[in-house]
Amino acid sequence: GEDVEQSLFLSVREGDSSVINCTYTDSSSTYLYWYKQEPGAGLQLLTYIFSNMDMKQDQRLTVLLNKKDKHLSLRIADTQTGDSAIYFCAESKGTGKLIFGQGTTLQVKP
Amino acid sequence: SQTIHQWPATLVQPVGSPLSLECTVEGTSNPNLYWYRQAAGRGLQLLFYSVGIGQISSEVPQNLSASRPQDRQFILSSKKLLLSDSGFYLCAWSKYTRGANTEAFFGQGTRLTVV
Repeated sequence: GEDVEQSLFLSVREGDSSVINCTYTDSSSTYLYWYKQEPGAGLQLLTYIFSNMDMKQDQRLTVLLNKKDKHLSLRIADTQTGDSAIYFCAESKGTGKLIFGQGTTLQVKP
Repeated sequence: SQTIHQWPATLVQPVGSPLSLECTVEGTSNPNLYWYRQAAGRGLQLLFYSVGIGQISSEVPQNLSASRPQDRQFILSSKKLLLSDSGFYLCAWSKYTRGANTEAFFGQGTRLTVV
């Protein structure tokens, strides 16, 4: 099936690291994405990783990919209140179709 | 640069009324176009997917239909809305190139409430 699974909710304190996890099912997916959605808005691309990479770092964001287990994670260092949002992982199918997970709501407490 | 426009931003419609949501993309040609729905407290569900004019793939059976009358125009419609059609509808586009990054760019969404 075309399932992308995420935990639904994560709560952290400001300044801590956040780790959002995702599992996917299609081993042929070439790219995997993390999107951020702020309340009442569309989705914005945060970062992506090509399937032949294990890790990608972009400022406070670190993406880890375990292709064997089909597991993707997003780590946000020094989490700020402005990071509170819903985070979606997505996999790219061979035809360019994107399949999204259910989204993880990140709550950052001051 | 490419932009995506989606309207209206909010809509309140009675049960049984028709629906038409429009999405247009500027600054690119032959994009892949998508309609997603986000129900309250739920994730993104892909509704329709189009790789070209008149080519629509329906991902889930439902009360909605989609059309692509022009290359960069994607319309979501219903003849008779149901209460369960309420949600946040998102249009998106991407540019598919085999083996390359296919990130999607999203519109700002339409909040539909069926009453």
